[in-house]
Amino acid sequence: EADIYQTPRYLVIGTGKKITLECSQTMGHDKMYWYQQDPGMELHLIHYSYGVNSTEKGDLSSESTVSRIRTEHFPLTLESARPSHTSQYLCASSDDSGGPEAFFGQGTRLTVV
Amino acid sequence: QKEVEQDPGPLSVPEGAIVSLNCTYSNSAFQYFMWYRQYSRKGPELLMYTYSSGNKEDGRFTAQVDKSSKYISLFIRDSQPSDSATYLCAMNSGNTPLVFGKGTRLSVIA
Repeated sequence: EADIYQTPRYLVIGTGKKITLECSQTMGHDKMYWYQQDPGMELHLIHYSYGVNSTEKGDLSSESTVSRIRTEHFPLTLESARPSHTSQYLCASSDDSGGPEAFFGQGTRLTVV
Repeated sequence: QKEVEQDPGPLSVPEGAIVSLNCTYSNSAFQYFMWYRQYSRKGPELLMYTYSSGNKEDGRFTAQVDKSSKYISLFIRDSQPSDSATYLCAMNSGNTPLVFGKGTRLSVIA
């Protein structure tokens, strides 16, 4: 069983607020990812990191930022939330020395009103 | 053209049926092919993965990869109501982030 945790699970917030979605993993994985998932749509890669102090943008990243100061922690920040940010955000991690698969957290369901 | 195509369904089958789920892809660099299951309001969980072409079996689940046709399949034998979920295919070239299909929503009716 994967040990990757996301908080909060659900968040309703007003337009213009700054929010940070938390993601932590206890598996010591080097690689971590943030995906966005809308109903009936594929997971879109927002950001990823291959290690401490390494971050890369994915397909859908222009309105959010990430940091990777510690191996186990990969928070996602939206500086000014908008209704178009309403979605499910999924964090995942993977290990170079293991298989190529990624392990996912339970997700954060964000609603911006 | 999207890198990974997957029919979103929904697919509804009676209990005990054999289910076939499929994805096609366009990137010939993909070498690792995965199937995830996602229950409502949960994160995806890995079912199985396959490297390159061939078959892999795990209990009632069989994954097939045909790289020449860029086509992958997941078969579920003796389907159960507890198999009702969205099934996502995903793939990568090994050192790149996973690319996902849209997922197929499956309902197994008792």
